[in-house]
Amino acid sequence: NAGVTQTPKFQVLKTGQSMTLQCAQDMNHEYMSWYRQDPGMGLRLIHYSVGAGITDQGEVPNGYNVSRSTTEDFPLRLLSAAPSQTSVYFCASSEPGRTEAFFGQGTRLTVV
Amino acid sequence: DQQVKQNSPSLSVQEGRISILNCDYTNSMFDYFLWYKKYPAEGPTFLISISSIKDKNEDGRFTVFLNKSAKHLSLHIVPSQPGDSAVYFCAASSYSGTASKLTFGTGTRLQVTL
Repeated sequence: NAGVTQTPKFQVLKTGQSMTLQCAQDMNHEYMSWYRQDPGMGLRLIHYSVGAGITDQGEVPNGYNVSRSTTEDFPLRLLSAAPSQTSVYFCASSEPGRTEAFFGQGTRLTVV
Repeated sequence: DQQVKQNSPSLSVQEGRISILNCDYTNSMFDYFLWYKKYPAEGPTFLISISSIKDKNEDGRFTVFLNKSAKHLSLHIVPSQPGDSAVYFCAASSYSGTASKLTFGTGTRLQVTL
């Protein structure tokens, strides 16, 4: 029973590099979201999706792209990494009509 | 502008006593409130929630109270146990019945001592 799986768990990038953070869920949840957690800031919503083919921006979307081609996967792309994107990233999934979201274990990203 | 605020970064409570974690919000459109618990190197896990049409919700040792007029909610843990030591996040949703867009507070680190 995997739930929400995020890969990688840790990543170091150089400024300007690109990468994709992977998120997969096996609960057949329609809703998926990406958050970042920074010290003293709590979790902030980056992008979210309410179903395959549908995505929208959250509170802090700049510098990130997402797509949702399947129900199971919701990758987060950094096109040109910046030090300000150093953070812990969490992916979450949930069902319509349910208020609790299930989170992955997080990806700790450092941009140098 | 922080719409959900947890003004106490940390709290220390003795085992067996009550832990009270507080949360304030400013957005009147929020209609669902949740508490998440987070251990180091893990993702947040859902603990308990409350709809804005209620003022109390209880689940075992955990009770959440909502005071809409004061825009304040609190989480009570009775009795507190060492395994409760974690960071607790308050979160709010303005889309009734959906967790796709949550606004989180900054968290309160609870330490339950022996």
